[in-house]
Order: sequence, then structure tokens, then C-alpha cells
Amino acid sequence: GDSVTQMEGPVTLSEEAFLTINCTYTATGYPSLFWYVQYPGEGLQLLLKATKADDKGSNKGFEATYRKETTSFHLEKGSVQVSDSAVYFCALSDPGNQFYFGTGTSLTVIP
Amino acid sequence: GAGVSQSPSNKVTEKGKDVELRCDPISGHTALYWYRQSLGQGLEFLIYFQGNSAPDKSGLPSDRFSAERTGGSVSTLTIQRTQQEDSAVYLCASSFGGTGTEAFFGQGTRLTVV
Repeated sequence: GDSVTQMEGPVTLSEEAFLTINCTYTATGYPSLFWYVQYPGEGLQLLLKATKADDKGSNKGFEATYRKETTSFHLEKGSVQVSDSAVYFCALSDPGNQFYFGTGTSLTVIP
Repeated sequence: GAGVSQSPSNKVTEKGKDVELRCDPISGHTALYWYRQSLGQGLEFLIYFQGNSAPDKSGLPSDRFSAERTGGSVSTLTIQRTQQEDSAVYLCASSFGGTGTEAFFGQGTRLTVV
């Protein structure tokens, strides 16, 4: 079945460091790919998405590119801030609109 | 309402009691999802509704768990004879159900079984 595997955490970075959180997927069809973020004490919210191969999703300085050849959707940010501290979830939705989530990666950014 | 609404936000129950968790999705959203998030864990899929029918119930952990959706809108997740391992945050999400559409999450119901 479809699934998502993402980098284990927790990740701790200094402010202004470069961030990469790896995400790979397994899917039988042509999924859409998402990154969700959960800030402390808050609900999950969409960070960015891409719906077809080679699409790049971007938001709040974060980017991820849908790579069909490597079945990946890695999340990157060039310069993290303390306010980026959160748990990040990679997800895919299949053509039947079922969502599959990764286990989440906790990020802590220290000043 | 503007977003996915879940109630109650917190529920403390005694072991062995039944509980009902409610989810009110965004108006017009045909797809509805239930997930469970245990402390420090990822999202565990429970069940998915398309309209009133549930194409995928594979995530329900046991026959103590059931869910229904009526009128293509509100959904209730029922846990019978609660156990301590049922303690978790139960999350509901909804979407328009089209390809590539995002799922919008509620704030969750924190269930504590004592």
C-alpha cells in the first residue's frame, strides 16, 4: 500500500542554519504530496503542497520539490528561525483521496 | 463554521465507560478523516469517509471503535469500554475530496482514560 517515510527526529539547529527534512514515498498511482506543520499547542496546518512531478511547493521560506524519479519530497529552508520550532509531517494523498502521513519530525531552533 | 470543529476539546473518562467524540467538518467537504495522535507519536489513521460511506475502516484498532457520518456532514467516533491505551488526541480532518486538495484539521479531542 501507499506510505510515507520521513527522517527521524528530533532535529536541533541554531538560528539561521540550513534545514533539510527528508521524505520519501511509496505509491501505486500518482499521489499529491504535502508538508503539514504542528506548532506547539496548535493543530496541524498545511505548510505547502505539490500535485504533480517537478512541481515545487513553497511557503514561509520553506520549499519542497516533487521528485518522481527518486520518489521524494524533501523539505528545505535556507535560514531557520526560532519560530520555526514545530513538528513537521510529510503526507501524500492518493487518487482516492486517502491521506497517508509520516511519523513527524520535531524541529527545535535555538537562538 | 469557518473550520473543522471538534467536541469536546478535552474528555476524562473512567476505564470501561463509553465515549463519543464529535467532528463537524467544513461545510461542503465530502471527505472526512479520523486520526489518533499519541504523546510524541505520529498520526495513526483510523477511518475515512467519502460522503456517508466509509471506504476504508482498516485503521480502527479494535471492535470497540466505531464511527458514523450522517447527512454527509457531522461524524461521531465512539469508543466502547475505554481502556487506558485509548488515551490520546483524536484528530478529525475534512477536505473537498478532489485530487490534490488539502485536508483541514480540527484542534482535536484530548481523551484521558483513568
